[in-house]
Amino acid sequence: DAKTTQPTSMDCAEGRAANLPCNHSTISGNEYVYWYRQIHSQGPQYIIHGLKNNETNEMASLIITEDRKSSTLILPHATLRDTAVYYCIALSGNTGKLIFGQGTTLQVKP
Amino acid sequence: GAGVSQTPSNKVTEKGKYVELRCDPISGHTALYWYRQSLGQGPEFLIYFQGTGAADDSGLPNDRFFAVRPEGSVSTLKIQRTERGDSAVYLCASSLKGSRMGSYNEQFFGPGTRLTVL
Repeated sequence: DAKTTQPTSMDCAEGRAANLPCNHSTISGNEYVYWYRQIHSQGPQYIIHGLKNNETNEMASLIITEDRKSSTLILPHATLRDTAVYYCIALSGNTGKLIFGQGTTLQVKP
Repeated sequence: GAGVSQTPSNKVTEKGKYVELRCDPISGHTALYWYRQSLGQGPEFLIYFQGTGAADDSGLPNDRFFAVRPEGSVSTLKIQRTERGDSAVYLCASSLKGSRMGSYNEQFFGPGTRLTVL
């Protein structure tokens, strides 16, 4: 299973872009990068995933480096409701089980 | 539509007792996952069902833990002879289908059951 490394915590001003980095230098060629987030006292919520190309959806954008050793999740206009723990995951095996690390605690401040 | 539901939301039990935790997945989802989350940690995988069968139970910590999904829908996680170290939030997730590596597999999580073993 590819290991991912994320900063423990980050702050972001409300209305600004939040850029959350993730290192996954041992990711294999066919492992996707998934991002989930967990708001306090709730179950995790899927955000986005990608393999090689950059991806965008209504929640966020995912930028993956060309060598695939790292990626960045971008929340373009962070709101207070985006305060959560963000998990970067290299999808493991062929069962789809998620291997969560410690994640990054994002605090969006007014 | 209805999301994943879990009951009870909270369960307090005494050391050595038996507990059952229930998960109702989203209708039509064939894949079901159980995770547990200790305070300050990310969720930890326990077991994965594809339909009625446990396709991957590698995360179950020991033989006190067992899970079933007899009709391919509702699942029950069973813990025998509970220990204080079993205290955690137990999360259930479902997805439309099991995942071949990398293919789209958004998992929808329930709110969890908070288990406290005294």
